Amino acid sequence: QQQVKQSPQSLIVQKGGIPIINCAYENTAFDYFPWYQQFPGKGPALLIAIRPDVSEKKEGRFTISFNKSAKQFSLHIMDSQPGDSATYFCAASMGADKLIFGTGTRLQVFP
Amino acid sequence: GAGVSQSPRYKVTKRGQDVALRCDPISGHVSLYWYRQALGQGPEFLTYFNYEAQQDKSGLPNDRFSAERPEGSISTLTIQRTEQRDSAMYRCASSPRLAGGRNTGELFFGEGSRLTVL
Repeated sequence: QQQVKQSPQSLIVQKGGIPIINCAYENTAFDYFPWYQQFPGKGPALLIAIRPDVSEKKEGRFTISFNKSAKQFSLHIMDSQPGDSATYFCAASMGADKLIFGTGTRLQVFP
Repeated sequence: GAGVSQSPRYKVTKRGQDVALRCDPISGHVSLYWYRQALGQGPEFLTYFNYEAQQDKSGLPNDRFSAERPEGSISTLTIQRTEQRDSAMYRCASSPRLAGGRNTGELFFGEGSRLTVL
């Protein structure tokens, strides 16, 4: 019940493509769903987050889509750039404490 | 600097030794978290504090692991009688709280302490 399942494990796209990363959860008590971005040698950093009262949230080129009934959420990166190459982690929690992270998706964007 | 500071950045120790990992959070951040991250995996929750109170230690793997934050600022994660399976990156994160006490949800991670147990 505490797991967050993330796919795919890795993703390769060309510049301008729209990579999509998916996550699924089991615990219906989760009410906070962030995405973190991690560059090599650095700690994860918050990218964008959503709460279950909305189905979509956009910040710049990054969009979270949330499907409460399916217990799934996804990250879309519009017009992807080589600088977006990083590892992306979804996470979930109750009350924004004790984040449970997915296993990560390594994204490579080629010029 | 203004970020979360962790020390040591690298620690190599022999099996059976005790190690202490230190975290200095962002000034004024109420909440402090410890995570462990294996290579190619997501961060795994260990424990967290609000001020000096340990709120949840359910992620600590066994009783060889302990953490404290005695004055509500700097925290130490201690691993006693280290084993090879303890080798990992240990990450600290801190988070501010809103005026009503609710967590903002944004964790600011440090660069981690990489522990290698030989």
